Amino acid sequence: AQRVTQPEKLLSVFKGAPVELKCNYSYSGSPELFWYVQYSRQRLQLLLRHISRESIKGFTADLNKGETSFHLKKPFAQEEDSAMYYCALSPTSGTYKYIFGTGTRLKVLA
Amino acid sequence: DVKVTQSSRYLVKRTGEKVFLECVQDMDHENMFWYRQDPGLGLRLIYFSYDVKMKEKGDIPEGYSVSREKKERFSLILESASTNQTSMYLCASSQTGTTTYEQYFGPGTRLTVT
Repeated sequence: AQRVTQPEKLLSVFKGAPVELKCNYSYSGSPELFWYVQYSRQRLQLLLRHISRESIKGFTADLNKGETSFHLKKPFAQEEDSAMYYCALSPTSGTYKYIFGTGTRLKVLA
Repeated sequence: DVKVTQSSRYLVKRTGEKVFLECVQDMDHENMFWYRQDPGLGLRLIYFSYDVKMKEKGDIPEGYSVSREKKERFSLILESASTNQTSMYLCASSQTGTTTYEQYFGPGTRLTVT
């Protein structure tokens, strides 16, 4: 079955500490993977996608097909990174549908 | 700048009422989506539409229907609201192409059914 798993509901780190939000997926083909973020009182928005291989707001994510993972990382967390993060998978290029994970709330403590 | 708007931010309805949630996008996107967002369950797709008058069931379509009469507007209908439909409802849109494009989300409608 196609599935996206985010094992942590809540992740708390101190400002300046490294952050890793875990995402594992179950899909036999070549999916497209995304991270979306929702800051407090803001709408859900795209943070990054694996095919662009960008670093956005200091975050990076590498698609590991062997481990079927797409973990989101940042070397030094900032308080403004506190938000809800969703990992999402699109099963086949062009199908337009996503499968979202259950989300991880990141709290960055001062 | 893509704009996806939803008709209400907060809505309170009684059990058994018919409820309409409206979503409008101004970027000429072909695809539109309705999701439920619940704590611990993430986003679950209710319905999506890839063209005017075209729709496809998502993962949790039971108790819901949709309507897309114009390209920019996608409505979610709760035929007879129930308390288990109390939730945050998110609308999104995306364009069509050879890759999976970014979905742009509305601000959400928090529906409470009493």
